[in-house]
Amino acid sequence: QSALTQPASVSGSPGQSITISCTGSSSDVGGYNYVSWYQQQPGKAPKLIIYEVNHRPLGVSNRFSGSKSGNTASLTISGLQAEDESDYYCSSYAGSTTRLVFGGGTKLTVL
Amino acid sequence: QITLKESGPTLVKPAQTLTLTCTFSGFSLSTNGVGVGWIRQPPGKALEWLSLIYWDDDKRYSPSLKSRLTVTKDTSKNQVVLRMTNMDPADTATYYCAHRRNDGWYDFDFWGQGTLVTVSS
Repeated sequence: QSALTQPASVSGSPGQSITISCTGSSSDVGGYNYVSWYQQQPGKAPKLIIYEVNHRPLGVSNRFSGSKSGNTASLTISGLQAEDESDYYCSSYAGSTTRLVFGGGTKLTVL
Repeated sequence: QITLKESGPTLVKPAQTLTLTCTFSGFSLSTNGVGVGWIRQPPGKALEWLSLIYWDDDKRYSPSLKSRLTVTKDTSKNQVVLRMTNMDPADTATYYCAHRRNDGWYDFDFWGQGTLVTVSS
C-alpha cells in the first residue's frame, strides 16, 4: 500500500491532454512543496520530469506541467504523443521522520 | 556527464546480507550539497525510497527499513555501498542508485540502470 494514491491507469488520444492525480495528506503533499514526478518506460530507470511541484528539469518538454491543491498534486500532459506512453510516479517529501514517499504509479496508454 | 551504475549479486538466500555498490562519475560526493540515494522497485510494483547519503556523510533511511540498512561512501573511489541485512523474498526488487538533484531536496535527476536482486533459497 503506497503512501500516495494515484489512479492505476489513464488513457488519451494523440493531441489530447490528460491529468494524473496524486493524493496524499497534510503530512506529505499538503505540507511541503516538494512533489516530484517521474516517467518510467518499460525496463528503464525512472526519469525526473517535474520537481518542487511545477518545475521542469532542463530538456524536459513543456508539454509536462505540475500543480498542487491542498493534499493533491497533479501532472498534466498536453498534446499527447505516442512516446508519452509510460508509467508515471509521484513522490513527496514527508517530513523529518518518513522523509520520502512514492505513489503507486499510473500507467498511461495513448490510444 | 553524470552516470551511475549498480553492481552486486543477482541472487541472495533468505536471511543473508545484501551488499550493493553504486559506482558513479561526473560528480564528487565530497562537493557541498551532493547526495546519492537508493530506491527499489519490486517486479510490477511501485518505487520505494530506501536511503540517502550526503556529501558530509549525513545519512537518512526509510523508517520501515532503518534497522536493516547501512549506507556508506568511499569518496576516493566514487562509490556508495548499501547493505541490507536479513534478506527476505519480499525484498526481491530492482535496486537503483540515483543522484540527488543539486539544490534539490529529495528528488533524483540521474539514475543508474538498476540491478535486479532475487531472494530465494
